[in-house]
Amino acid sequence: QQKVQQSPESLSVPEGGMASFNCTSSDRNFQYFWWYRQHSGEGPKALMSIFSDGDKKEGRFTAHLNKASLHVSLHIRDSQPSDSALYFCAASEDGGYKVVFGSGTRLLVSP
Amino acid sequence: EAAVTQSPRNKVTVTGGNVTLSCRQTNSHNYMYWYRQDTGHGLRLIHYSYGAGNLQIGDVPDGYKATRTTQEDFFLLLELASPSQTSLYFCASSDAEQFFGPGTRLTVL
Repeated sequence: QQKVQQSPESLSVPEGGMASFNCTSSDRNFQYFWWYRQHSGEGPKALMSIFSDGDKKEGRFTAHLNKASLHVSLHIRDSQPSDSALYFCAASEDGGYKVVFGSGTRLLVSP
Repeated sequence: EAAVTQSPRNKVTVTGGNVTLSCRQTNSHNYMYWYRQDTGHGLRLIHYSYGAGNLQIGDVPDGYKATRTTQEDFFLLLELASPSQTSLYFCASSDAEQFFGPGTRLTVL
C-alpha cells in the first residue's frame, strides 16, 4: 500500500470553477506536506507547503491540513486552463530531505 | 531561480546495455535525488545523497547505482538495463522544497 494516497485520479472542471484534491497518509510520522504541480513535458514544481493544522492560502490556492486524520487537501478557485496539469501530494518525516510522493491527480480545466 | 539540468533528455538502449544519466545543480543544495515516474505510481525515489561521496538508498533501488562526485553532480547508473527500467527519470535538489530537472526519458528495448 502506498504511504501517500491521492484522490481522485483525474478531475475535470470548467474554467472559473473550483478544483479540489485529496491526499491521505498512512504513516503518522509524516508531519510535513507539499503540493507539487507538473505540466506536460516538464519536471514537477512546488506549489505550496503546509506544516501546521488548518488552512494556508496563497492567491487562488488553499491547502488544508488535519494531522489527526492524516489528511491534506488542495483547492484551486477560479480555475484556469493553464492549471491543467498533474498534481502531486508529498509528505516527509524530516522536513523535506526524504519525501514520499502520491500517485498524482490529473486536472483538466476546459475553456 | 534554482537550476537543475539533466542529460541526455532521451535515451534508447537494449536489454543488458549500460546507461549513465547525468544531473547537475547550481543551487548549492546539499541534497540531490533520483526519481522514476511511471503512470499509476507517481514519483518513486531511487537513490539520494546529502553531499559529495555520500549515497543513500531510496525506495526502489534494485538495478540502479548512483554516484555523487561533487556538490553539483549526481549520476544514475544502470549497468544491465532491463525493459522494466523503461521510465521517465527525474533528478532533483533540495533545501526542503525539491527543485526538479526536466527529466530523461529512457527506453530499454
